[in-house]
Amino acid sequence: GAVVSQHPSWVICKSGTSVKIECRSLDFQATTMFWYRQFPKQSLMLMATSNEGSKATYEQGVEKDKFLINHASLTLSTLTVTSAHPEDSSFYICSARVGSKTGELFFGEGSRLTVL
Amino acid sequence: GEDVEQSLFLSVREGDSSVINCTYTDSSSTYLYWYKQEPGAGLQLLTYIFSNMDMKQDQRLTVLLNKKDKHLSLRIADTQTGDSAIYFCAEIAYSSASKIIFGSGTRLSIRP
Repeated sequence: GAVVSQHPSWVICKSGTSVKIECRSLDFQATTMFWYRQFPKQSLMLMATSNEGSKATYEQGVEKDKFLINHASLTLSTLTVTSAHPEDSSFYICSARVGSKTGELFFGEGSRLTVL
Repeated sequence: GEDVEQSLFLSVREGDSSVINCTYTDSSSTYLYWYKQEPGAGLQLLTYIFSNMDMKQDQRLTVLLNKKDKHLSLRIADTQTGDSAIYFCAEIAYSSASKIIFGSGTRLSIRP
């Protein structure tokens, strides 16, 4: 099946720094990518929908200036956590959709962010 | 709004069948999915069913859909230790602009 790669898998940073997480579709083009956040022992919370060539659509309660999303090409979307704080520590997962609006979703392996 | 609910825990004996249940509220659901998440990893798509189907079988996995009751189940036959994971039910519905909505996940543990 299709492969979605996230990088980095683990990142530890100091409070106040910014961290960029990449999501790449390796063998297909993804016009739409999604970013999720998962708190320990909880389900996935959709943060935003990333569309290639346009601004991301953020879910209610997600600060767009805090979580910058850029979908510069059909194979790459990035999530930048700006001025990270300990409460931003979480597991961030991206997914990419193949084809139409109801096409299959493929997920990355996730990126664990720890802010000290 | 859309909501997907699952029980949080399930414990079964190795070799028995596991049945994980899910209910959803959006009647416009198109695709319904089951994902598996192992510790520290992303999500792996196990199987999916289109809303006009009642049942889908794929090796040890059987998905049953009761559209009238908005109930979805995943049955894992001959459960093995490698099946220990969190299983997420998810739906895509037109009313949610084709976003995928996840349940809370069911943690499946296998006892010898």
